[in-house]
Amino acid sequence: NAGVTQTPKFQVLKTGQSMTLQCAQDMNHNSMYWYRQDPGMGLRLIYYSASEGTTDKGEVPNGYNVSRLNKREFSLRLESAAPSQTSVYFCASSILDRTYEQYFGPGTRLTVT
Amino acid sequence: GENVGLHLPTLSVQEGDNSIINCAYSNSASDYFIWYKQESGKGPQFIIDIRSNMDKRQGQRVTVLLNKTVKHLSLQIAATQPGDSAVYFCAESPSGTYKYIFGTGTRLKVLA
Repeated sequence: NAGVTQTPKFQVLKTGQSMTLQCAQDMNHNSMYWYRQDPGMGLRLIYYSASEGTTDKGEVPNGYNVSRLNKREFSLRLESAAPSQTSVYFCASSILDRTYEQYFGPGTRLTVT
Repeated sequence: GENVGLHLPTLSVQEGDNSIINCAYSNSASDYFIWYKQESGKGPQFIIDIRSNMDKRQGQRVTVLLNKTVKHLSLQIAATQPGDSAVYFCAESPSGTYKYIFGTGTRLKVLA
């Protein structure tokens, strides 16, 4: 049981490049989340998926798109990366909804130059 | 927008002492609160949660207190150990949403 896994662990992009961050969970959780964490700030919700087939915007969705590929996988795409998107990205999942513990992945450290 | 904040960015405590980390929240509609621990280079790890119909909840060496009157949340760690050194985040979740709002975090340093 690996929990929540994320790939890649590190990535450097040039401004304007695109990439997809992958997230998968093996706990049969219904809800999945993408956060970003900037220095000196708490985690901010980018997008979430309450259940397979649904996605909704969080606090900072601009510049990102998501896909809930199936119950296990939730990907985050940057279509045209900007330096302001330099951050650490965390994926999380919870068994049902917000009133249950969220399990976090190890994070992806993204630098956009 | 509404957010969750912390009073102290860094807290240093002697090993064996009790630690208290405080958090203020501003959304009166929040009915679920969580404390997370984050070690360097890792994702946040759940410590303890509390629902708004409670004012105190205890776990192993940790206690969370909720004061809805003043919108204040605290995490108490008993007999603080070196392994407790980390950044601690509180988070609130407003009723009727799927969202969590995280505070900026408090770094706990345990002195030997």
